[in-house]
Amino acid sequence: DAGVIQSPRHEVTEMGQEVTLRCKPISGHNSLFWYRQTMMRGLELLIYFNNNVPIDDSGMPEDRFSAKMPNASFSTLKIQPSEPRDSAVYFCASSLSTGGRNNSPLHFGNGTRLTVT
Amino acid sequence: GDSVTQMEGPVTLSEEAFLTINCTYTATGYPSLFWYVQYPGEGLQLLLKATKADDKGSNKGFEATYRKETTSFHLEKGSVQVSDSAVYFCALRRGGGADGLTFGKGTHLIIQP
Repeated sequence: DAGVIQSPRHEVTEMGQEVTLRCKPISGHNSLFWYRQTMMRGLELLIYFNNNVPIDDSGMPEDRFSAKMPNASFSTLKIQPSEPRDSAVYFCASSLSTGGRNNSPLHFGNGTRLTVT
Repeated sequence: GDSVTQMEGPVTLSEEAFLTINCTYTATGYPSLFWYVQYPGEGLQLLLKATKADDKGSNKGFEATYRKETTSFHLEKGSVQVSDSAVYFCALRRGGGADGLTFGKGTHLIIQP
């Protein structure tokens, strides 16, 4: 089991540039989550997908953020244009959601550390 | 809305000491409860979970019991090791649907030899 794979591990970019973060969930998982981690706010859920469909994007901070899941094995989180306050660690997680009472854990990738200068 | 409250850190202990990290939650319905651990530079790893009242989750010497009457899920370990130094997150997942986890702010644990 390869686990959730995120790329790149580190990204340094200048303010105003477009940033794309990538995630490959665990094969067979049907739910995918994007989280952001900062010292000030801790872990924040940005958006999640179920069966490739965005379910709740209320955590996306601004219109500069967008996420897609074109198929079951790939998702992207894009920031355009990026700003210094977007600097954080972005985590992708996946799980198997079976409906009803859902007690499946989330499996996290190692994250992408984004620095916007 | 749902929320998770953890004790503030950092928590510094000597090796072989007894550990308790407090966690309380607010949620509608009957959530599942989790403890995750994060080592430096890594993602979060599931440590243990409990899915209903009075369930006890356990793993690697850590334990936590789902207490519905006190809405708590405190993490304990009888004898900590230096390798337990990490950040620990308490989290809940609401029953039903495919909602994500709601996390506490994390507790940084430092174990000194």
